[in-house]
Amino acid sequence: GNSVTQMEGPVTLSEEAFLTINCTYTATGYPSLFWYVQYPGEGLQLLLKATKADDKGSNKGFEATYRKETTSFHLEKGSVQVSDSAVYFCAEANNAGNMLTFGGGTRLMVKP
Amino acid sequence: NAGVTQTPKFRILKIGQSMTLQCTQDMNHNYMYWYRQDPGMGLKLIYYSVGAGITDKGEVPNGYNVSRSTTEDFPLRLELAAPSQTSVYFCASLRSQGGTGELFFGEGSRLTVL
Repeated sequence: GNSVTQMEGPVTLSEEAFLTINCTYTATGYPSLFWYVQYPGEGLQLLLKATKADDKGSNKGFEATYRKETTSFHLEKGSVQVSDSAVYFCAEANNAGNMLTFGGGTRLMVKP
Repeated sequence: NAGVTQTPKFRILKIGQSMTLQCTQDMNHNYMYWYRQDPGMGLKLIYYSVGAGITDKGEVPNGYNVSRSTTEDFPLRLELAAPSQTSVYFCASLRSQGGTGELFFGEGSRLTVL
């Protein structure tokens, strides 16, 4: 079956540092790709998405570009804040768009 | 819209007890899902439903049951609680027709089995 692999955490950064969380997927074709964020004590919520190759999803200063040639969807932010501390999940959708496969999650801790 | 609502938020069970985690959504979504998230781990799919009256097993269905009598409700039943079922449970929904593949999650139900 399909799988999504993301870098293991925790990732610890100082405020205003540059963030990259790597994500690769295995599905063939052009699955929609997502980044979800889970703040402490809460459920997951959609951070950004991309539905076709070379699309760039962006939200709250985060970006990720759909790279078909490397089957990747890495999450980046130029300057992280303490409030970005959370667990980030990469996910891909099946062709029908009704089942998501999640990566294992990456915990980000940002220190002042 | 309230979105996806789960109850209870916290529960402690003794081994062998049974309980039902409630989930309801007010977005008229066809698809609903139950996931569990163990400490420091990702999400594992327990059961899902493509519409009222239809349910199917996910990755880790043993020890659980579900029903989907209405579009809105998708309760998860634990019949004989075991310590291995200590986890945080998330319900989610998705609109299948013309949707974006975006899942909407509830806030989670933290279950401890002692």
